[in-house]
Amino acid sequence: GAVVSQHPSRVICKSGTSVKIECRSLDFQATTMFWYRQFPKQSLMLMATSNEGSKATYEQGVEKDKFLINHASLTLSTLTVTSAHPEDSSFYICSARDPGTGGYEQYFGPGTRLTVT
Amino acid sequence: EDQVTQSPEALRLQEGESSSLNCSYTVSGLRGLFWYRQDPGKGPEFLFTLYSAGEEKEKERLKATLTKKESFLHITAPKPEDSATYLCAGGSQGGSEKLVFGKGTKLTVNP
Repeated sequence: GAVVSQHPSRVICKSGTSVKIECRSLDFQATTMFWYRQFPKQSLMLMATSNEGSKATYEQGVEKDKFLINHASLTLSTLTVTSAHPEDSSFYICSARDPGTGGYEQYFGPGTRLTVT
Repeated sequence: EDQVTQSPEALRLQEGESSSLNCSYTVSGLRGLFWYRQDPGKGPEFLFTLYSAGEEKEKERLKATLTKKESFLHITAPKPEDSATYLCAGGSQGGSEKLVFGKGTKLTVNP
């Protein structure tokens, strides 16, 4: 149980374009999902907390107009990187908590490697 | 400010050579201490949750323990397939479900 998927796994886009990444909880309903960014050889950096049916909560220093998050249903959250630039190239990972377990552990997706050329 | 610090940054072991990874934390009102394994180019894989000092959990060659200030991940007789980065994270009580992650320990087990 507690499987989280992401799509796409890899994406290459040109500078100035927008990219959408999907995060789905496959076998549970997630009222809260999280979006992280990870640079090479670094730990996870939380970007935002995504709440179903309401606005996302962004961490300090994360541009909310650049990283648009939509949590449209209990099983789907999307991250759109708008007007992407080479410095946005990174590994983006989502996670979700399964409220059915009673615990606070987060289950992570496989990640999306974004390369902006 | 909540902080999680892991040591060492990197650890090389020979197959069968047991060792421990350390995670020290300063998290107000610890709601849980979490261990994850991350392979290169993949998302973290959940291993354990520890809630209170004295608690221990085991899975195959791994055992996680918790004190009031730190957690240890003990690896007994490791195999090359245990090579990965091990991440520790703390969650604090309160309205947020956020986790604070350490920088990880990269474990390499040589055959």
